[in-house]
Amino acid sequence: AQSVTQLDSHVSVSEGTPVLLRCNYSSSYSPSLFWYVQHPNKGLQLLLKYTSAATLVKGINGFEAEFKKSETSFHLTKPSAHMSDAAEYFCVVSRSGGYNKLIFGAGTRLAVHP
Amino acid sequence: KAGVTQTPRYLIKTRGQQVTLSCSPISGHRSVSWYQQTPGQGLQFLFEYFSETQRNKGNFPGRFSGRQFSNSRSEMNVSTLELGDSALYLCASSLAVAGSLDEQYFGPGTRLTVT
Repeated sequence: AQSVTQLDSHVSVSEGTPVLLRCNYSSSYSPSLFWYVQHPNKGLQLLLKYTSAATLVKGINGFEAEFKKSETSFHLTKPSAHMSDAAEYFCVVSRSGGYNKLIFGAGTRLAVHP
Repeated sequence: KAGVTQTPRYLIKTRGQQVTLSCSPISGHRSVSWYQQTPGQGLQFLFEYFSETQRNKGNFPGRFSGRQFSNSRSEMNVSTLELGDSALYLCASSLAVAGSLDEQYFGPGTRLTVT
């Protein structure tokens, strides 16, 4: 079985300060891990994906995430928040090997204040 | 390359009716998955189609069904609509190349309201 827990439902930061969105996962299989972002009234956009090749994954718009197997975590970070980063972020787990069934976390709503 | 398109974008139906939603994947993508997004339950996997066959299925009642055509376009159908079916229905497509990490590309969704 697979599951994802996003530890914060809401995160609020000031523009220019670091962003940390926390995610823990559980998987009986070798997991594939993703972060997706959803802006209001828009579809989901892939930010980054984890492959077994590298534990530190770089994504779009300056975001990155680190896969830590010992902690079963896949936290999303960004050094400096921008107003346009305000959105809902989803941590997602899937079973590796072409099993196209994504298990979504509950989401973290990120607010960015001037 | 055009993205995933979904039609219609908005739909209002009455309890007891049925509805069909359509999804056109990115050209060349063979897998289409459907998800339901609600404020209470979040994003939940409905089913996945690959080469006109349902390959994966989530935990939804039989009122939810789907199909895929030879051009990879997909439809999902919900029969005997209930108020709780009001949701954003998202479609995602992927290449589904064997052995690869399949990232899924999402459409804008169809907002279904059941009254």
